[in-house]
Amino acid sequence: SAVISQKPSRDICQRGTSLTIQCQVDSQVTMMFWYRQQPGQSLTLIATANQGSEATYESGFVIDKFPISRPNLTFSTLTVSNMSPEDSSIYLCSVELRDFDYGYTFGSGTRLTVV
Amino acid sequence: GESVGLHLPTLSVQEGDNSIINCAYSNSASDYFIWYKQESGKGPQFIIDIRSNMDKRQGQRVTVLLNKTVKHLSLQIAATQPGDSAVYFCAENKLGTYKYIFGTGTRLKVLA
Repeated sequence: SAVISQKPSRDICQRGTSLTIQCQVDSQVTMMFWYRQQPGQSLTLIATANQGSEATYESGFVIDKFPISRPNLTFSTLTVSNMSPEDSSIYLCSVELRDFDYGYTFGSGTRLTVV
Repeated sequence: GESVGLHLPTLSVQEGDNSIINCAYSNSASDYFIWYKQESGKGPQFIIDIRSNMDKRQGQRVTVLLNKTVKHLSLQIAATQPGDSAVYFCAENKLGTYKYIFGTGTRLKVLA
């Protein structure tokens, strides 16, 4: 399976500011995924990031709020813009390995608190 | 939209007992299912998966059962240990697509 490094692991931010989360994978992958996990909730897909193209956003998520970069096959960033307390969540980066036994591999997540 | 849900939000079991975590799914087109374990402060970790052409799959101390008739998925953990304490998610997928739908999660508490 892939090893995913995600940083920062946690942050406390002021409302109105932005935070960029980095995700580094130890192997080249075509698709990278960004998820949000609100407190006590399940995982919701924010967007899919493909190298060399615009990210594909799920319903309820927009590029202005969550801009994503995917400069190469091992790296992606997610920015949470103009933050409000409602953005307090865990943000997770993941990749899918085309291997039957692994499905998604997740990073350890970024725990964001907006005050 | 269709979603995956769980019957029990919290499950407490005695150490050494067997645990059963349940999940209901609503998308009859889903043909691939995964159970994830998420420990505090960590990302979800793959436990075991099953395709829709199977009813049962066993791993180390874990068994996943799939009942397509009633669209039900369960995770059985044998001889539950303190290290099994975590939140467990089921996820469904249509093979060939990248999108997974995650259930709401069950918190497993192992009592000493």
